[in-house]
Amino acid sequence: SYVLSQPPSVSVAPGQTATITCGASYIGSKSVHWYQQRPGQAPVLVVYDDNDRPSGIPERFSGSNSGNTATLTITRVEVGDEADYYCQVWHSNSDYTNVVFGGGTKLTVL
Amino acid sequence: QVQLLQSGPGLVKPSQTLSLTCVISGDSVSTNSAAWLWFRQSPSRGLEWLGRTFYRSRWFNDYALFVKSRISINTDTSKNQFSLQLTSVTPEDAAVYYCARGVAVPGHPTSYFDAWGQGSLVTVSS
Repeated sequence: SYVLSQPPSVSVAPGQTATITCGASYIGSKSVHWYQQRPGQAPVLVVYDDNDRPSGIPERFSGSNSGNTATLTITRVEVGDEADYYCQVWHSNSDYTNVVFGGGTKLTVL
Repeated sequence: QVQLLQSGPGLVKPSQTLSLTCVISGDSVSTNSAAWLWFRQSPSRGLEWLGRTFYRSRWFNDYALFVKSRISINTDTSKNQFSLQLTSVTPEDAAVYYCARGVAVPGHPTSYFDAWGQGSLVTVSS
């Protein structure tokens, strides 16, 4: 199975930059998508195809993907950015296709 | 703007069938540019994909291996909705269930998920 590894938690002060990583073998060859999930709410797409933003998502959210690590970067962090963040890819072989999520990273804004 | 509205029982007895429905507004279940998916989320298992359905001249379904023997996703084009059925549930199936829209990209029927239902908490208990 294909496993996406995220740090369980990241802490950052308001106004600083948060970096959340998603590690997996040759993830740079895949399209990585990122979701924000606030407590009690459904996930919200914040970055797709490694580094594109849906309409309505602030430019402060950006992504990159190379080698074995994809990264979500949030600049000028705000208290409202406090949430869980999940990376996601599709993984398939000759036998099956599967959606894979990382375990999630809790972003705490100090 | 696409909106997905979920409904269904919040309590299911062990060995019985979990059934949830997702009504689509702002798009069509028969669109060629998206797929319709079910996920679930629990503290012990995280976010899990369960399956999807999509229309490309005919209907396609595929399911996650770990539920493949117990799951069915169906569509009702007259009501513009799709539904999840999961048979023989156990307490391990207790979770928040989500429906979602998956955007198609060239060469792939589904890529990222840009619209989600509100979530349905399902408890499995007698």
